[in-house]
Amino acid sequence: RKEVEQDPGPFNVPEGATVAFNCTYSNSASQSFFWYRQDCRKEPKLLMSVYSSGNEDGRFTAQLNRASQYISLLIRDSKLSDSATYLCVVNDEGRSQGNLIFGKGTKLSVKP
Amino acid sequence: EADIYQTPRYLVIGTGKKITLECSQTMGHDKMYWYQQDPGMELHLIHYSYGVNSTEKGDLSSESTVSRIRTEHFPLTLESARPSHTSQYLCASSDFYGYTFGSGTRLTVV
Repeated sequence: RKEVEQDPGPFNVPEGATVAFNCTYSNSASQSFFWYRQDCRKEPKLLMSVYSSGNEDGRFTAQLNRASQYISLLIRDSKLSDSATYLCVVNDEGRSQGNLIFGKGTKLSVKP
Repeated sequence: EADIYQTPRYLVIGTGKKITLECSQTMGHDKMYWYQQDPGMELHLIHYSYGVNSTEKGDLSSESTVSRIRTEHFPLTLESARPSHTSQYLCASSDFYGYTFGSGTRLTVV
């Protein structure tokens, strides 16, 4: 089983749509969770951290379910500029000194 | 404005050559990392360092080596490049707030 699993997509949605990405992780001891965004041929950039109570940043909402070891990202009113690959990232708590483990990413393409 | 710098941005080199990919950060971060990423694939950790004179191998076996003589500098060296080393190499550093990545070096070995 992979450490961090994501649906690779691609998700092709029209502008203004709401889209949700899911992610599962295998290390039940993990304590830190993030969503990163990576544009084509660019480096990953932090989109938002994911907190236990869930958190929102503008059009983006992140949720964490520790019992199910599941993380989600919801994008409302999607823009053309949201087109990118979204990486689910989890710290490898208790192993490899807690380094971050990156999912393969979910590709989003927002069309006009 | 980038706080972590990688050079070169692109490199095409012949088989058997020795190469060093440079990575420097100005944020004073103790933790630094090298990731390898093939197109459309996930990032794989190949080396990391938690401070000066500390280096560890990551999850993905790599023929490269690293050094950490100064906090701000974490170069990666390939003694003898091969076509199988063709990939993108991303350097990152981290603090409590998260990881910051460099722009990457896209390496092609011909």
